[in-house]
Amino acid sequence: GDSVTQTEGQVTVSESKSLIINCTYSTTSIAYPNLFWYVRYPGEGLQLLLKVITAGQKGSSRGFEATYNKETTSFHLQKASVQESDSAVYYCALGATGGLSGKLTFGEGTQVTVIS
Amino acid sequence: ETAVFQTPNYHVTQVGNEVSFNCKQTLGHDTMYWYKQDSKKLLKIMFSYNNKQLIVNETVPRRFSPQSSDKAHLNLRIKSVEPEDSAVYLCASSSRDWGYAEQFFGPGTRLTVL
Repeated sequence: GDSVTQTEGQVTVSESKSLIINCTYSTTSIAYPNLFWYVRYPGEGLQLLLKVITAGQKGSSRGFEATYNKETTSFHLQKASVQESDSAVYYCALGATGGLSGKLTFGEGTQVTVIS
Repeated sequence: ETAVFQTPNYHVTQVGNEVSFNCKQTLGHDTMYWYKQDSKKLLKIMFSYNNKQLIVNETVPRRFSPQSSDKAHLNLRIKSVEPEDSAVYLCASSSRDWGYAEQFFGPGTRLTVL
């Protein structure tokens, strides 16, 4: 089956410091799954942050970056300098079944709190 | 406004009752989904529909039944709720019926079963 494992629980980071949220995936469905980061800001719905569908490529959005590494089956999310507005819950997700389903498998989510 | 709308926001009920949640998207998408987010914040797909046709049906108890009247609406009915059904139910939609287009999520319906 498909599974996603990401940095557990809560992460607290000071403003202007760097942030990394680890994400590794496993799939038996297809060789090259599509990988996503979704985010939920306080009071808002879950929304796409970035997406990469080709192994070896990097996605970026709002200062965040993630590189699709097929060798290590990882898709870590990084930001060089966080702001308080980056406080949110981040979810790594995998799309691997192909065909008509569009089904996504999510990680457990990581609560990020940025303090000043 | 174009978005994914869910009603109600919250629902509290007792074991054995029937509940229904509504979802409507005004984004013109063909595919809609229901996800369940449990107390540990884990998000799991339950169903997906494309143009009113069921595409994905995960191993969900039979008391759960999705209902789609048209491609813009996907409701969820739970017959005889159980305590383990307490969760947040998220509805989502996407523009393509295959592949992995961006999914747009509603705000969720929080169900509490007493």
